[in-house]
Amino acid sequence: ETGVTQSPTHLIKTRGQQVTLRCSSQSGHNTVSWYQQALGQGPQFIFQYYREEENGRGNFPPRFSGLQFPNYSSELNVNALELDDSALYLCASSLSRSGRKETQYFGPGTRLLVL
Amino acid sequence: AQTVTQSQPEMSVQEAETVTLSCTYDTSESDYYLFWYKQPPSRQMILVIRQEAYKQQNATENRFSVNFQKAAKSFSLKISDSQLGDAAMYFCAYRSANTGNQFYFGTGTSLTVIP
Repeated sequence: ETGVTQSPTHLIKTRGQQVTLRCSSQSGHNTVSWYQQALGQGPQFIFQYYREEENGRGNFPPRFSGLQFPNYSSELNVNALELDDSALYLCASSLSRSGRKETQYFGPGTRLLVL
Repeated sequence: AQTVTQSQPEMSVQEAETVTLSCTYDTSESDYYLFWYKQPPSRQMILVIRQEAYKQQNATENRFSVNFQKAAKSFSLKISDSQLGDAAMYFCAYRSANTGNQFYFGTGTSLTVIP
């Protein structure tokens, strides 16, 4: 069984730039969630994708967007980067079945630094 | 929105001893899940234990057990026979069983294990 993987592991960008982070779900999982974890804080929910559609969103502006592909891998895109976007971005996958919410399994994260 | 509170930013324990990490949460729902995740310095969030709110029996996983007090909205984690590898950030998390798809995380407790 393949776990959740993310790329890249580290990234440095400048303010105003755009960034794309990638996530490969655990084998057999059809749902992916993205979280932002600022230094010293718990993860904050950005959004979730299920069957290639956004399926819930946290309190993040529209410049945070995502995609889920037919193979259930996913991208997180952030436009017009701000200094406060510097954080660890975590991807978590799970298997959603009718009427049942499954445990999420997390990837190792991408550390983004915005200068 | 649900909130999860971890009032102990840091805890320490002697190797082989027992430690309890505290977590309280606020919700108006009756059906939900609670989790403890461990995040070592390597950053990958690892599931430690999960509790369904409808189950009165406290969950256990080897050296890890919880004390789930639904009326008090309390969900503490007990680590028995602490090992050096238990040193990490521990996050308590809440997920609704019926509404929404996101996890709500606390701010974490940093556990140090003293040899």
